Amino acid sequence: DSGVTQTPKHLITATGQRVTLRCSPRSGDLSVYWYQQSLDQGLQFLIQYYNGEERAKGNILERFSAQQFPDLHSELNLSSLELGDSALYFCASSVDPLQGGYGYTFGSGTRLTVV
Amino acid sequence: LAKTTQPISMDSYEGQEVNITCSHNNIATNDYITWYQQFPSQGPRFIIQGYKTKVTNEVASLFIPADRKSSTLSLPRVSLSDTAVYYCLVGDGSSNTGKLIFGQGTTLQVKP
Repeated sequence: DSGVTQTPKHLITATGQRVTLRCSPRSGDLSVYWYQQSLDQGLQFLIQYYNGEERAKGNILERFSAQQFPDLHSELNLSSLELGDSALYFCASSVDPLQGGYGYTFGSGTRLTVV
Repeated sequence: LAKTTQPISMDSYEGQEVNITCSHNNIATNDYITWYQQFPSQGPRFIIQGYKTKVTNEVASLFIPADRKSSTLSLPRVSLSDTAVYYCLVGDGSSNTGKLIFGQGTTLQVKP
């Protein structure tokens, strides 16, 4: 157990639907990162939040949005789902984004299947 | 962020030492070199990080030459359970986001 909790572990939904993925960071970590991993794209950085504020955006589609709540958990919302959105979605957390690579802890991911 | 280049795949046998080299010609002065390991359907896991010379922990060693334009991850006496994807990342320590950008990684296959 890495300390980063992601729910649900698996999600199957139909095209056009909307889903919410949840991430609870490791205790004490203020920064949350979302990544998407599909077979043909590798690990793609989506978005980062630090203490409730958006800090960086990567290759995140307009149909996707995220937020970090006062208790520091984060949610990734995916809407108007397409078959190509099927992927593993990982959340990672760190104490301080300036800490470099050492302090990043990844969750076990949510596998999203769009049918 | 500095771009990294590493072999797409490597094969090894149990008990052998495995060395995976990563090239990062444009590494900046403030950059650290970090390696992550990822098993199928699991999140990446931190292995080791270094700035220069050699770093060793209970899992691996990291060799960084003086010019820092490359680095080598060394896994001693690999076992079947070391079969995974290994990512080399070069981090911009001055970034106010600290986000990690992953490359394609090296898929290591350990055979019995």
